[in-house]
Amino acid sequence: RKEVEQDPGPFNVPEGATVAFNCTYSNSASQSFFWYRQDCRKEPKLLMSVYSSGNEDGRFTAQLNRASQYISLLIRDSKLSDSATYLCVVRPRNSGGSNYKLTFGKGTLLTVNP
Amino acid sequence: ETGVTQTPRHLVMGMTNKKSLKCEQHLGHNAMYWYKQSAKKPLELMFVYNFKEQTENNSVPSRFSPECPNSSHLFLHLHTLQPEDSALYLCASSRGQGSGTDTQYFGPGTRLTVL
Repeated sequence: RKEVEQDPGPFNVPEGATVAFNCTYSNSASQSFFWYRQDCRKEPKLLMSVYSSGNEDGRFTAQLNRASQYISLLIRDSKLSDSATYLCVVRPRNSGGSNYKLTFGKGTLLTVNP
Repeated sequence: ETGVTQTPRHLVMGMTNKKSLKCEQHLGHNAMYWYKQSAKKPLELMFVYNFKEQTENNSVPSRFSPECPNSSHLFLHLHTLQPEDSALYLCASSRGQGSGTDTQYFGPGTRLTVL
């Protein structure tokens, strides 16, 4: 099983649609979770952290299910500018004590159409 | 945004060349990272430095040699690369607390092509 697995898409949705992405992770001891966004030929940028209680930032809602080891991202009222690749990112708990490593999924490509 | 800068932005080199990638962060962070992003693959962590000390080397071939002279600067020295090393090389930095909330910020990357 891959460390972090995402549906690569592409997801093509019209403006105003609601779209949801899921991500699964294999390390049950993982401690932190994030969604990053990467525009074409640009660097990844943090979209939001994902907390156990779930969190919302405007049109974006992130959920974490530790029991099932999956993370979700919901985008409401999609905008053209939401078109990007969304990266699921997990910080595993390393036995060596290093907490610096992030494990990235391959990303899910979203295209929002007019 | 100029939090993390990288130069050059594009680099084409032959397999016998020696070149260096440079990264600089202006965020007051203590940890810096090199990642490799190849087509159709997830980002791969290469090296981690915290307070100028290398804390992680993710089984990277010796033809990639990192250097971290201070907490603001990070270099990746390249020599005798292979065509399969062609990729986007991303630098990132973070506060270096090593805690769950330690967020990494990325530079724009250097797109490397090895001929």
